[in-house]
Amino acid sequence: AQSVTQLGSHVSVSEGALVLLRCNYSSSVPPYLFWYVQYPNQGLQLLLKYTSAATLVKGINGFEAEFKKSETSFHLTKPSAHMSDAAEYFCAVSDPLNFGNEKLTFGTGTRLTIIP
Amino acid sequence: EAGVTQSPTHLIKTRGQQATLRCSPISGHTSVYWYQQALGLGLQFLLWYDEGEERNRGNFPPRFSGRQFPNYSSELNVNALELEDSALYLCASSLSIRQGAFYGYTFGSGTRLTVV
Repeated sequence: AQSVTQLGSHVSVSEGALVLLRCNYSSSVPPYLFWYVQYPNQGLQLLLKYTSAATLVKGINGFEAEFKKSETSFHLTKPSAHMSDAAEYFCAVSDPLNFGNEKLTFGTGTRLTIIP
Repeated sequence: EAGVTQSPTHLIKTRGQQATLRCSPISGHTSVYWYQQALGLGLQFLLWYDEGEERNRGNFPPRFSGRQFPNYSSELNVNALELEDSALYLCASSLSIRQGAFYGYTFGSGTRLTVV
């Protein structure tokens, strides 16, 4: 079964500093990969996705992520954190061998806190 | 374009009762997914429906069930409610690869179920 690991359940960065949220997956076949953001009492919103095209993916709100097959990673970055980035972030991975990339498994989430 | 809509927003039930949660997907999406987000447990996959059929089921007891209607809307039923069923229940929809493309899930805002 597909699995995804998010290192760090809580990350704090200062406003204006680099944001780095880590995501590693386990799959022998390159999957589709997604980052979602969840604000309090809301559903999840898609930030960006990798679906086997360009390995550097740009998303909304200034976020980007790079697919690194050799490291089985898909880390999320943003050069300069803003107070409005405070939220919970989820990495998700598809299961290409079993469900044709249509079923996603979500990581346990990383809560991002921005320090003024 | 209307997003994924879920109803009700909040639901309070007594232990042992039944709960019914509803989801309307984005127009044109044929796949519907249900997730449970309990406090501190991340997103746990419940059910996946496509074209009216159950495609996959997560590791939940049989008292969690659902269905998808001909208009692709979906219903999640939870029988014999237990206190630990209290959670945010998220519905998501997507196009399917069978339709020619899969771009990830679009989530609704969720139904907050409280069992007392």
